[in-house]
Amino acid sequence: LAKTTQPISMDSYEGQEVNITCSHNNIATNDYITWYQQFPSQGPRFIIQGYKTKVTNEVASLFIPADRKSSTLSLPRVSLSDTAVYYCLVARTGGFKTIFGAGTRLFVKA
Amino acid sequence: IAGITQAPTSQILAAGRRMTLRCTQDMRHNAMYWYRQDLGLGLRLIHYSNTAGTTGKGEVPDGYSVSRANTDDFPLTLASAVPSQTSVYFCASSDSAVSTDTQYFGPGTRLTVL
Repeated sequence: LAKTTQPISMDSYEGQEVNITCSHNNIATNDYITWYQQFPSQGPRFIIQGYKTKVTNEVASLFIPADRKSSTLSLPRVSLSDTAVYYCLVARTGGFKTIFGAGTRLFVKA
Repeated sequence: IAGITQAPTSQILAAGRRMTLRCTQDMRHNAMYWYRQDLGLGLRLIHYSNTAGTTGKGEVPDGYSVSRANTDDFPLTLASAVPSQTSVYFCASSDSAVSTDTQYFGPGTRLTVL
């Protein structure tokens, strides 16, 4: 599975758009990019998954360029409650092991 | 719907003692997983089960064992706990064992081994 690299931490203010970029240079053709969110003292929860271009749901958008060597999670107008750790994963179709990295700790300030 | 429940919520354990962490899901998911989370290291897969009756080793299986006698339960056993097993343990499940499937996590068990 492709190794992922993402910033250790980021700070933002309420109401701002936050973009967290993840690099996965060795991504394979049958790999999907998946993001999870983890609040303090809770287990991670799925946010969004994509293969290429753009995916949007009620929580976030995921932008994946044509070469798929990176991806950007975009959180619109963050609030204090978006303070969490965000994990970027590469998941393989047909594979059954998921590798979580250290994640990006996002701190939203008032 | 409870989803995934884990017990105990937290535990302090003397080194050398045996401990079983319990995990139960009510979603009839085929696949289940155990992760440990340590500061700065994210989540690391300990063991997994693709379906009832089968188990496999993850990234850090040493010192841990699992069993999957039925679909709902996936206990994790530390045969003889050591201080390096101090961690937060998360159980998860997914509909299938395909890694692109969404994993649903339990609330975690905080274990301290002294």
